[in-house]
Order: sequence, then C-alpha cells, then structure tokens
Amino acid sequence: EDKVVQSPLSLVVHEGDTVTLNCSYEVTNFRSLLWYKQEKKAPTFLFMLTSSGIEKKSGRLSSILDKKELFSILNITATQTGDSAIYLCAVEAKGTSYGKLTFGQGTILTVHP
Amino acid sequence: NAGVTQTPKFQVLKTGQSMTLQCAQDMNHNSMYWYRQDPGMGLRLIYYSASEGTTDKGEVPNGYNVSRLNKREFSLRLESAAPSQTSVYFCASTEINTGELFFGEGSRLTVL
Repeated sequence: EDKVVQSPLSLVVHEGDTVTLNCSYEVTNFRSLLWYKQEKKAPTFLFMLTSSGIEKKSGRLSSILDKKELFSILNITATQTGDSAIYLCAVEAKGTSYGKLTFGQGTILTVHP
Repeated sequence: NAGVTQTPKFQVLKTGQSMTLQCAQDMNHNSMYWYRQDPGMGLRLIYYSASEGTTDKGEVPNGYNVSRLNKREFSLRLESAAPSQTSVYFCASTEINTGELFFGEGSRLTVL
C-alpha cells in the first residue's frame, strides 16, 4: 500500500521567515510526486517532480526530490501572510491511471504579520 | 472558463437519506475523480473515471456509486448516507498522461 507522511503537521512562523516542509513516501513503482497548496477551498497545483535532484522553482517556492531516500522538501523563503495554507504532498505510481494520487495528511502553515 | 464546478456546496442529510453530488468540467479533460478530505487524513480517492464510459473504484468506494454521464459530467451518489460519510468532497479532472489534478471548490456534507 502506498503511503505518504508529511511533517510537521502544523507550523507557525512570522512574515519573512523561511520554512521547509517535508514529505516522505513509500510507493511501488514511483512515477511522480506532486505538491499542492490548499487555501480555503480547492487545492491548487504547485509542482510535479519526477527526477531526483532536480529543483523546481516558482518565485519564493522551490521543491526538490530525493528518490534514493524517498522524500521531498518544499521550501518557502521570505514568507508572507498569503502563504498561510495547507500544503499537500501526493505520489503517483506507474502502472496506474494518471491522477490516482495518494496524499499525505498535509502541513498547516500559518504566517503571522 | 469555470474549470471544475461542483454542486451543492453544502448539504446536511439524515442517516439513511440519499443524495447525488454533481460535477462538471469545461476543460475537455478525459479523466475525472472524486476524493474525500477528512481532518488528519489528507485526500482519499473514492472513484475515478479514466475516460468517458469507464469508472473504477479508488481507495474508499464503499457506500458510494458514480456515473460518468458524458465527457463533462461525473456524479457521486450516496444511496444511504451514514455519519461516517460526513466529509468534504472534491471533484477533480486531468488531461491525458498527467497527474496534475484540477479541483473543484468542494462540497461539505454533514450526515446526522
């Protein structure tokens, strides 16, 4: 059974801080790892990682995958109150339909002014 | 361009009642999904439809049925609601050959 564990489960920081969110996984025949941000309603896509060691960046957010150690990290630099959200990590296995994701519990990030 | 639209957004049911959650997407995606989200458990896949005319069970299908009405629409039915089905339900869709899901805004269901 595929499994995704995120840590920490919740995190409170102040604006300007840098945060690192962790995601470890067990999956038979790995295809990809995805990060989503969920504010009040729908999760929105951030990154998809398929190759080890390649960093994906979008503004202040970046993510890297370690396929050997089976984990990924999501970094947010110079945090803003708008970064407050639940961050979800998910994995996808080869040999299954695309979009069949196994999600972690999520990390609740709160950024105070 | 609305993306993925779900109705209703909120619903309260009594145990044993039935209801259908509706989902429609206007992105011409082939694949559609129903996930549920519970506190501390992330999102779990209930059912999915890889293409029009096909449906398959996900991780937690018991107590649910689905219908892929056409390429745009994918509905989720609770035949006899139970308190354990109290949850937030998300419909999602994706293009061919990618796991990047586009989610609807969710439907919050409470079963008393």
